[in-house]
Amino acid sequence: DIQMTQSPSSLSASVGDKVTITCRASQGINNYLAWFQQKPGKAPKSLIYAASSLQTGVPSKFSGSGSGTDFTLTISSLQPEDFATYYCQQYNGYPVTFGQGTRLEI
Amino acid sequence: EVQLVESGGGLVQPGGSLRLSCAASGFTFSSYWMSWVRQAPGKGLEWVANIKEDGSEKYYVDSVRGRFTISRDNAKNSLYLQVNSLRAEDTAVYYCATIRQWVVGDSWGQGTLVTVSS
Repeated sequence: DIQMTQSPSSLSASVGDKVTITCRASQGINNYLAWFQQKPGKAPKSLIYAASSLQTGVPSKFSGSGSGTDFTLTISSLQPEDFATYYCQQYNGYPVTFGQGTRLEI
Repeated sequence: EVQLVESGGGLVQPGGSLRLSCAASGFTFSSYWMSWVRQAPGKGLEWVANIKEDGSEKYYVDSVRGRFTISRDNAKNSLYLQVNSLRAEDTAVYYCATIRQWVVGDSWGQGTLVTVSS
């Protein structure tokens, strides 16, 4: 199975900051990497697919990059609604696996 | 607008069974692979199963293979998950999700809670 390791596990930031979350795969995943945002008590929301493609309707303050095994999610100009937990997902093969999550706190 | 509405969760004893349902609307259900993803209380996301558009291919995480069965009825725009031989570690919110561009979770339902306890 492909293990996905996110860092950091939690992150404190302020409104207006820019933050970066890292996701590392235990083997190459051909850029089949997605990012999700989840707020407490809510279903996850898809942000990015194919490592760097923005889902329809997702603001451009979210960006993804990386290739092979190392990927990043960058969120610029943090607003109160951005404080949530973020997950990466590899869909290069079965089983599909998620990172453990990064909790972004004010 | 894509809508996915799960139902069928509840409290069940260890070893028991449930059938989870997901009613889909707002898109051509029969054209999409579909998935179940779960989340134990306070924990992260875990992929459970995928099913092809016509139901001819199914994939499962090892921990549920042989106990859970994913199925669909395209005439009813519905996705199902039959969960048998339930264990305490199966306690979770179960989400129904669409698969698009191979991403599990292009759209999500609100989830249904399954609690396994005596």
